[in-house]
Amino acid sequence: DAGVTQSPTHLIKTRGQQVTLRCSPKSGHDTVSWYQQALGQGPQFIFQYYEEEERQRGNFPDRFSGHQFPNYSSELNVNALLLGDSALYLCASNPGRRTDTQYFGPGTRLTVL
Amino acid sequence: GQQLNQSPQSMFIQEGEDVSMNCTSSSIFNTWLWYKQDPGEGPVLLIALYKAGELTSNGRLTAQFGITRKDSFLNISASIPSDVGIYFCAGAMLTGANSKLTFGKGITLSVRP
Repeated sequence: DAGVTQSPTHLIKTRGQQVTLRCSPKSGHDTVSWYQQALGQGPQFIFQYYEEEERQRGNFPDRFSGHQFPNYSSELNVNALLLGDSALYLCASNPGRRTDTQYFGPGTRLTVL
Repeated sequence: GQQLNQSPQSMFIQEGEDVSMNCTSSSIFNTWLWYKQDPGEGPVLLIALYKAGELTSNGRLTAQFGITRKDSFLNISASIPSDVGIYFCAGAMLTGANSKLTFGKGITLSVRP
């Protein structure tokens, strides 16, 4: 079992650009959540996808959007990148909506210049 | 966004010592979780707590769900070098509609051999 996988590992973008991050959940998991972890901070909940729909959202602007595919994999899109968007973006998956059992991927390190 | 209170930011202990850390919230939770994050990895779940007053162990780790439901504690006994890492608490009011986790800023633990 590969666990939760994320791509790419690292990414460098410039302000104003758009970025897409990808996540494959652990086998048997159908719920995917995305988190933003700034340097020295804990993960901040962005949103959660279940049954291909956004089920819950944290305090993030509409520039952050996502998608879940029929195979449960997910994408996080960020438009009009700001310097403050530089962070580690973590994907986590779990069965059903039991986020207390979620597994995290290694994250994608996004740097905005 | 909201983060739970974890302090101090860093802790330094000698190998073999016990260490305790706590986490407080202004909100009541029905679930408390403790995670450990190693460099370049996502957080890994250590212990989950579901009931006020509950005391749960996982090897040398023991965690408690505070009676007020606004705090939780983690104790690591007989520390070893591989205990080095960042320890996060997370709380949630898990219901059928809500599965959002709120994390603390984390405590970086260093263990001197």
